[in-house]
Amino acid sequence: EVQLVESGGGLVQPGRSLRLSCAASGFTFDDYAMHWVRQAPGKGLEWVSGISWNSGSIGYADSVKGRFTISRDNAKNSLYLQMNSLRAEDTALYYCARGIVGAPHYFDYWGQGTLVTVSS
Amino acid sequence: QSVLTQPPSASGTPGQRVTISCSGSSSNIGSNYVYWYQQLPGTAPKLLIYRNNQRPSGVPDRFSGSKSGTSASLAISGLRSEDEADYYCAAWDDSLSSVVFGGGTKLTVL
Repeated sequence: EVQLVESGGGLVQPGRSLRLSCAASGFTFDDYAMHWVRQAPGKGLEWVSGISWNSGSIGYADSVKGRFTISRDNAKNSLYLQMNSLRAEDTALYYCARGIVGAPHYFDYWGQGTLVTVSS
Repeated sequence: QSVLTQPPSASGTPGQRVTISCSGSSSNIGSNYVYWYQQLPGTAPKLLIYRNNQRPSGVPDRFSGSKSGTSASLAISGLRSEDEADYYCAAWDDSLSSVVFGGGTKLTVL
């Protein structure tokens, strides 16, 4: 069974940093691209960042480019999101999602999310 | 303002057929596959339709997808109370080099 478990969320002041983690199990992690997708409270879905299976291809939404860094450790079956210079508008539930084989920019399985609240 | 446009709400009675639209442009829906996700209250999104009209295993055939030009639609037939959820369309956008979502449609089963 595919499982994605996010952690690392919490309350943080504007301008500070936070690092999210996603622990994957139930599939061969290094066969898949991985993504972060967020959802602000009461709002829709927004793709944040994605990384290919071997970290050779990485992309970011314009809203986070230059502030967020995605990475993965295939030996640990883990995905990460380093978030710097956080803003109030980054407040959201952050989902880890698995890319689809043959369509790596899309997602099939999602974790339950970790909540990030940026507030003073 | 979402790149893909969906109606904010839709409704139907049990047994009815409901359609949810998703409108985009030549850089997204017009040239790439459309995916649909279902988000039940308080849960993570679930893949409902991939490659415009394909259903993952386990998704009932009451759900169907279609695409024409720069628009797509999701149809739900034989509406059931458990279909009450938010539905999102998604597509790769060649100009933005990112996946874009619709704003979501909240489906209410009356």
